[in-house]
Amino acid sequence: SQQGEEDPQALSIQEGENATMNCSYKTSINNLQWYRQNSGRGLVHLILIRSNEREKHSGRLRVTLDTSKKSSSLLITASRAADTASYFCATVPNTGANSKLTFGKGITLSVRP
Amino acid sequence: EAQVTQNPRYLITVTGKKLTVTCSQNMNHEYMSWYRQDPGLGLRQIYYSMNVEVTDKGDVPEGYKVSRKEKRNFPLILESPSPNQTSLYFCASSLSPSGRYPSTDTQYFGPGTRLTVL
Repeated sequence: SQQGEEDPQALSIQEGENATMNCSYKTSINNLQWYRQNSGRGLVHLILIRSNEREKHSGRLRVTLDTSKKSSSLLITASRAADTASYFCATVPNTGANSKLTFGKGITLSVRP
Repeated sequence: EAQVTQNPRYLITVTGKKLTVTCSQNMNHEYMSWYRQDPGLGLRQIYYSMNVEVTDKGDVPEGYKVSRKEKRNFPLILESPSPNQTSLYFCASSLSPSGRYPSTDTQYFGPGTRLTVL
């Protein structure tokens, strides 16, 4: 079953602009992760934010988490053409040790040079 | 280099012909998982394994089998492939099961296997 739902489904921006992608989920989570996938390739982990954290940074990436709204956002600042990819949020539900990662359907980001 | 490898990367086969997609990781990870990715459906988990000899069904296990006889290997077996199993398959591993050690829940993905069943 899909837990995270990303918004928008597709985003096209100019190089140098910021890209904001959102993810909403339904049940209580242990942590939320963002992944990136270049066309036809494996997913690469970008950042993990735990349920007791509100914001994390990694280079040009900034992730926020609002557990009261059950939502997260991924901000890519000063985007580059190389950021063109699909981005997925994935949630780990707060249901015990065997809980698993559930992915959303992804956001397609196009950064125009 | 730490990595997850899958073989083959591309496979075209016919309905009913048994096949195995291999997955191997060199990071001593306990947790391994198989996903399939289809347009408009995102990634869906097929099977996962918490450790050697411990496997369990994911969201879409029908038509698939797995085994975990060694920590590093987690093959995906399609006993009688059908056209609806045409998809892009990913193997992934992580140090420990999701939720138990949140700081180590990052999953490392293989490069993918594109399977076409005619």
